Amino acid sequence: GAVVSQHPSWVICKSGTSVKIECRSLDFQATTMFWYRQFPKQSLMLMATSNEGSKATYEQGVEKDKFLINHASLTLSTLTVTSAHPEDSSFYICSARAETANQPQHFGDGTRLSIL
Amino acid sequence: SQQGEEDPQALSIQEGENATMNCSYKTSINNLQWYRQNSGRGLVHLILIRSNEREKHSGRLRVTLDTSKKSSSLLITASRAADTASYFCADYGNNRLAFGKGNQVVVIP
Repeated sequence: GAVVSQHPSWVICKSGTSVKIECRSLDFQATTMFWYRQFPKQSLMLMATSNEGSKATYEQGVEKDKFLINHASLTLSTLTVTSAHPEDSSFYICSARAETANQPQHFGDGTRLSIL
Repeated sequence: SQQGEEDPQALSIQEGENATMNCSYKTSINNLQWYRQNSGRGLVHLILIRSNEREKHSGRLRVTLDTSKKSSSLLITASRAADTASYFCADYGNNRLAFGKGNQVVVIP
């Protein structure tokens, strides 16, 4: 089946550090990639949607300057949490989808981000 | 408002029993999808049911869709300990997948 690889799986870093998370679709071309944030025992909250070669579309309340998204190719999207603070600590999950809306989304294994 | 909202619940069953969970949504759907999430992991796609379908099977999974009631159910038959996870339904709308709150299922060996 379709595989999405997300790296790193966990990060612990000091406040003020910028952290980059990579999301790769390994065996299909991801026209659209999605970034989610999940708090413990809660559902996934969509942060932004990115299409290859275009600027990401951010959900209301998500700071685009804080969470930089780059979708430079059909197999790679990156999320950079800039100047991270403890309140940015969370579980970040990427997802990728091939062309049409009736295709399932495939998810990475998530990145646990802890800011000290 | 978020589409694809399950009744949030925790379900604890014995291995071998069936597990049923429900999902309701508020607006028209394109398709509805069910996902499983093991603790601390990403989501695994289980099954997609289109708006013109009423029932779909995949292995031990059975999904129903009732568009008149705007609801869906996921049935896991003959549950196993490995089925212990959170289960989410989600709907495609506006080119995005909106998730409900999830159902925590614990299967006791």
